[in-house]
Amino acid sequence: TQLLEQSPQFLSIQEGENLTVYCNSSSVFSSLQWYRQEPGEGPVLLVTVVTGGEVKKLKRLTFQFGDARKDSSLHITAAQPGDTGLYLCAGATGNQFYFGTGTSLTVIP
Amino acid sequence: SQTIHQWPATLVQPVGSPLSLECTVEGTSNPNLYWYRQAAGRGLQLLFYSVGIGQISSEVPQNLSASRPQDRQFILSSKKLLLSDSGFYLCAWSGDRGQHEAFFGQGTRLTVV
Repeated sequence: TQLLEQSPQFLSIQEGENLTVYCNSSSVFSSLQWYRQEPGEGPVLLVTVVTGGEVKKLKRLTFQFGDARKDSSLHITAAQPGDTGLYLCAGATGNQFYFGTGTSLTVIP
Repeated sequence: SQTIHQWPATLVQPVGSPLSLECTVEGTSNPNLYWYRQAAGRGLQLLFYSVGIGQISSEVPQNLSASRPQDRQFILSSKKLLLSDSGFYLCAWSGDRGQHEAFFGQGTRLTVV
């Protein structure tokens, strides 16, 4: 089993603040995905990063894949209440996806 | 476009009863299929995955089993449910050509009483 640790586990911030979520592992992955999940629903894919050092931007969200392809970060600028949810990273190896421990984000209006 | 259907959405079952959760995918062929279980507000634990009909790999020993009777159908079963089987179960698919994304169904909330 390949373990991905996310930090922080819980995060509560005011609207307009910036935040960063980290996803760390001792294993190397061929790619890494970030998902957001609403209560009672399945996770929805936000982005996939494949190349070590890669940076992708999705509006106010910036994703980075570590140079060694073992870790990743998600940075949100000027958070909004609609960003509230559970953020999950997942590492892909072969045919398998291993998910992180999750970060629960609450953005207070 | 591809879609994934998972049912039922919620299920309450007594201890010792059997279980059958079904997942089907449309719009693609020979997908990789997955069953995950999720504790409240936490990450997903991979239970089973399948790369083809009749090919099932189990990640953890447990009271559950999986079957893939057709290319785009994946079933999660149990002969006798335990209280510890309660949880949120998610089915997912990914492409068979090295695509890096998994796409999820809506999930099944199982409560064993």
